[in-house]
Amino acid sequence: AQTVTQSQPEMSVQEAETVTLSCTYDTSESDYYLFWYKQPPSRQMILVIRQEAYKQQNATENRFSVNFQKAAKSFSLKISDSQLGDAAMYFCAYREIYNFNKFYFGSGTKLNVKP
Amino acid sequence: DSGVTQTPKHLITATGQRVTLRCSPRSGDLSVYWYQQSLDQGLQFLIQYYNGEERAKGNILERFSAQQFPDLHSELNLSSLELGDSALYFCASSRGLAARSSYNEQFFGPGTRLTVL
Repeated sequence: AQTVTQSQPEMSVQEAETVTLSCTYDTSESDYYLFWYKQPPSRQMILVIRQEAYKQQNATENRFSVNFQKAAKSFSLKISDSQLGDAAMYFCAYREIYNFNKFYFGSGTKLNVKP
Repeated sequence: DSGVTQTPKHLITATGQRVTLRCSPRSGDLSVYWYQQSLDQGLQFLIQYYNGEERAKGNILERFSAQQFPDLHSELNLSSLELGDSALYFCASSRGLAARSSYNEQFFGPGTRLTVL
C-alpha cells in the first residue's frame, strides 16, 4: 500500500513570514494526485492545493505553493506571508487514480502562527 | 460549507453498544467515502460506495459496516464498540469515478465525533 510521511509533527512561523511543510510518499505508480488539506480546530477538512503527477509545473493557489519532486517522491507546501488564520493541522494526501480514488493521508503537521 | 452533511455531530456511548452515523452527499454526487481519524492521526480510509454499490474497502473492521441507499445517503454502522473506536468519522463525496477529472474531487463533511466510554 502507498504510504505518506510527514516528518514534522509541529512547526511554528512568525506572522508574515514563510514556512515550508514537508511530505514524502512511496508509490510504484507513475500517475496519481497529491493534495494538501488544512484542518483548523473546527476539524473541517479544507482542500488547500492539488497537484497532478503528470504535470511538471508546481501548483500555486494564492499564498500557497508546492514543490513537487516526482523522482524524489517529495511534495512540500510553502505558505508565504503567513497569517494567524493559517494556524491548523496540515495533512498531505496521496490519491490513486486507477483504484477507485483511494486516499492515503500522512499523520499531519501542526502549524502554529505567532503574532 | 462543502455541501456534505453528517449527523450527528457528536455521539457518546458505552462499550459494547451499536451506533449509526449518517452522511448525505453533495447534490449530484454518486460516490461516498468513509474515513476514521483517531486522536492526532491522519485519516484512515474505511470504505467507498458508488451509486449504491460497494467499490473499495480499506482498513475497516468486521464490526463496522456501511451501506448507500437509493437516495444516495450513506450510513456507517459501528457495533460492539470498544474504547479504541473513539474517533472522528468523516464522510466525503465525489461526483463519480472518472480517473482524471474534477468529477472525482472529494468534498468532506464536518465529521461525527464518537466517544466510547
